[in-house]
Amino acid sequence: AQSVTQLDSQVPVFEEAPVELRCNYSSSVSVYLFWYVQYPNQGLQLLLKYLSGSTLVKGINGFEAEFNKSQTSFHLRKPSVHISDTAEYFCAVSSTGFQKLVFGTGTRLLVSP
Amino acid sequence: DSGVTQTPKHLITATGQRVTLRCSPRSGDLSVYWYQQSLDQGLQFLIQYYNGEERAKGNILERFSAQQFPDLHSELNLSSLELGDSALYFCASSVQGGETQYFGPGTRLLVL
Repeated sequence: AQSVTQLDSQVPVFEEAPVELRCNYSSSVSVYLFWYVQYPNQGLQLLLKYLSGSTLVKGINGFEAEFNKSQTSFHLRKPSVHISDTAEYFCAVSSTGFQKLVFGTGTRLLVSP
Repeated sequence: DSGVTQTPKHLITATGQRVTLRCSPRSGDLSVYWYQQSLDQGLQFLIQYYNGEERAKGNILERFSAQQFPDLHSELNLSSLELGDSALYFCASSVQGGETQYFGPGTRLLVL
């Protein structure tokens, strides 16, 4: 079975500051890793994904994430956040092949001026 | 816009009732997934269909059922509704063998 742990339920940060949202996963098989963002009263939007290859993955809106197999982590980073980045961020894992996604509990990013 | 559509956006009903949620996948996607998002359970996988056939089941209650039709749209049927079924229900789709799921805007169900 797979599981995802998002270590921070809420991360407050000031505008233009850097941010890191942490994600650790557990799996006995090879995985695909994803970050999704959910803005208030909206659906889930794919930010970025790791399938294979380079461990540093770049996504939309200036976000990037690094896959670390030895530490089973897939932390999300952005060098300078905007007010508009305020949202809930979900890390998810699936086993290779078109399988269900297992989600973490989410991290609420609160960006203030 | 992911290309996945869900109707209705909001649904208010009473305990004991039955509702049907509808999902149209992105053009060309054969696989449809249903997820439930609630405050206490988070985001949980319910069921997956691929080209009309049930492919995988998650934490789906026996009161819930789903199907995928020949035109690839899918319906999630929820019956004998309880207060605890109030949640946001998402549909996602992916291409054949595709690793990435694209989510619809969700249906917010409120059971009173």
